Amino acid sequence: SSEVTQDPAVSVALGQTVRITCQGDTLRTYYANWYQQKPGQAPILVMYGKNNRPSGIPDRFSGSSSGDTASLTITGAQAEDEADYYCNTRDNDHVLFGGGTKLTVL
Amino acid sequence: QVQLVQSGTEVKKSGASVKVSCKASGYTFVDYYIHWVRQAPGQGLEWLGWMNPKSGDTKYVPKFQDWVTMTRDTSINTAYLELISLTSDDTAVYSCARAGQGRTEFDKWGQGTLVTVSS
Repeated sequence: SSEVTQDPAVSVALGQTVRITCQGDTLRTYYANWYQQKPGQAPILVMYGKNNRPSGIPDRFSGSSSGDTASLTITGAQAEDEADYYCNTRDNDHVLFGGGTKLTVL
Repeated sequence: QVQLVQSGTEVKKSGASVKVSCKASGYTFVDYYIHWVRQAPGQGLEWLGWMNPKSGDTKYVPKFQDWVTMTRDTSINTAYLELISLTSDDTAVYSCARAGQGRTEFDKWGQGTLVTVSS
């Protein structure tokens, strides 16, 4: 079966730019969506489709895709961005989640 | 405002069943699919399947096909997730989330329901 993979952990210095990636063959066909999850909270959608931000999500979050890899970029990371980030995408009529990336803001 | 409100924490013995509810408000219930996702302690998100509230059609991850049932009651805008033959491996937070038909972006999530299975 298909899968999408993420780096388990990434760190970024406060105010710097960080890219979180999601890789899988299905991403050659379908866009990825991105979720932010803080401890004890439900996930929040932060990016979807080609490069769409839901209302209320800061514009420092952006998305891109190339080949089999989708990326979530945070330009000027803030302390409040420290969280787990998950991608998901479509695989025929199923949904796949990546394993998640723990982002640490130093 | 759009809300998905789930039922409370459940503690079950191995072999038991559990039924989690997800009550929708603030939008037309039948216009969005309901997806169910679980998260074991310290682990990532795992998709279980979706249900179309309008038709009752469902799609499950094959490995969960014999373990999960998703239903709904449109008269009270509520979706249900039933799990049978629980084991300790099923201890997790179970969450509902909505998405448009054929879409995979989950724009609203329930608060999650912790199901603890003890032997």
